[in-house]
Amino acid sequence: DVKVTQSSRYLVKRTGEKVFLECVQDMDHENMFWYRQDPGLGLRLIYFSYDVKMKEKGDIPEGYSVSREKKERFSLILESASTNQTSMYLCASTPQGVPYEQYFGPGTRLTVT
Amino acid sequence: AQKITQTQPGMFVQEKEAVTLDCTYDTSDQSYGLFWYKQPSSGEMIFLIYQGSYDEQNATEGRYSLNFQKARKSANLVISASQLGDSAMYFCAMRGDATSYGKLTFGQGTILTVHP
Repeated sequence: DVKVTQSSRYLVKRTGEKVFLECVQDMDHENMFWYRQDPGLGLRLIYFSYDVKMKEKGDIPEGYSVSREKKERFSLILESASTNQTSMYLCASTPQGVPYEQYFGPGTRLTVT
Repeated sequence: AQKITQTQPGMFVQEKEAVTLDCTYDTSDQSYGLFWYKQPSSGEMIFLIYQGSYDEQNATEGRYSLNFQKARKSANLVISASQLGDSAMYFCAMRGDATSYGKLTFGQGTILTVHP
């Protein structure tokens, strides 16, 4: 069974803090993704990575950065958290070349106060 | 650019009845894939069904079927014999061609409530 884990289910941070969200997958998938989910907007892609140290911007990268130093781990970084980054963050992974589903982690609900 | 539109913010259905959740899409890719995911109140994303753009038959998975109408660019999810456990948020999503690295574009979601 594919497993995608995220470091926290709930996180509360203060405005201006640097925030790290960690995602780990155990199935040797090449592609990893970070989405944020907001009511009425669905899931929107922040960044994705198709290989170690390789990353590409998604639809809403502003205010975020990512890091992928190992194949199994993909980190989302909020350099200076703001209240408009309060959201649910979902990590996902998928193997390269297989046109099937993405495997999602359980999500991190981040509140920035 | 790809776009997914789900026009039904909320849907209600009686237990044991069938329900259709609407999804329309827009893409310039010749090859693409369409997905439906279920998200219960616990938050996890559960994959339900997949349809490839070149698949001639509509996809089915148990009580779920995908009504794929390519010319109309629609990919509606049909749930037969609804159960109380089907109450959840449902997302339609699209994957582009092989150059897209499998990234998905999601619709806004539809909240389904099943009444006893």
